[in-house]
Amino acid sequence: SQELEQSPQSLIVQEGKNLTINCTSSKTLYGLYWYKQKYGEGLIFLMMLQKGGEEKSHEKITAKLDEKKQQSSLHITASQPSHAGIYLCGADVSNFGNEKLTFGTGTRLTIIP
Amino acid sequence: SAVISQKPSRDICQRGTSLTIQCQVDSQVTMMFWYRQQPGQSLTLIATANQGSEATYESGFVIDKFPISRPNLTFSTLTVSNMSPEDSSIYLCSVRRPYNEQFFGPGTRLTVL
Repeated sequence: SQELEQSPQSLIVQEGKNLTINCTSSKTLYGLYWYKQKYGEGLIFLMMLQKGGEEKSHEKITAKLDEKKQQSSLHITASQPSHAGIYLCGADVSNFGNEKLTFGTGTRLTIIP
Repeated sequence: SAVISQKPSRDICQRGTSLTIQCQVDSQVTMMFWYRQQPGQSLTLIATANQGSEATYESGFVIDKFPISRPNLTFSTLTVSNMSPEDSSIYLCSVRRPYNEQFFGPGTRLTVL
């Protein structure tokens, strides 16, 4: 079965610093999704990547999918307290675009003053 | 995007009882899923809710424990039957259109005493 590894599992970053979260798969990713979750709440969709080498940005968050489509990174620039939460990557492991996503283990991000 | 609402948002239940969670989407969607997120864990797919037919359950989940209904393309229910403390989780409804993003509801936080 598809396995997604996220690293690090948790991250404590000083406000204003940059950070990167990685999501690695043993198989080709036909779609890679990043979500943010506040404690005890639902998932907020951040970005979807489908093409090798694709990069998308929204405000201070940038996500990339590598050329081989087996790894994605999420980069936050000049972190703020509002960025705190759990970041989850989800993968589309088929090329049909109509199946369930498999999720990574999550990265808990804490922002300290 | 899709706007998804879930009821109830949270509940505290007694062991041996059942709880039905409702999921309402603001537009018709072909794919609807139910996930479970146990404390400190990532998301686990329970089943795909199929409109007009029986749900498709993932390994480890059975219809008797988690009966699902989907009478139309905008609504679904998940029942957690004969609950035990191990069923304490966040239950998330999710929808997806083919080759598009997958969105999540706000979740239902269930505590079983």
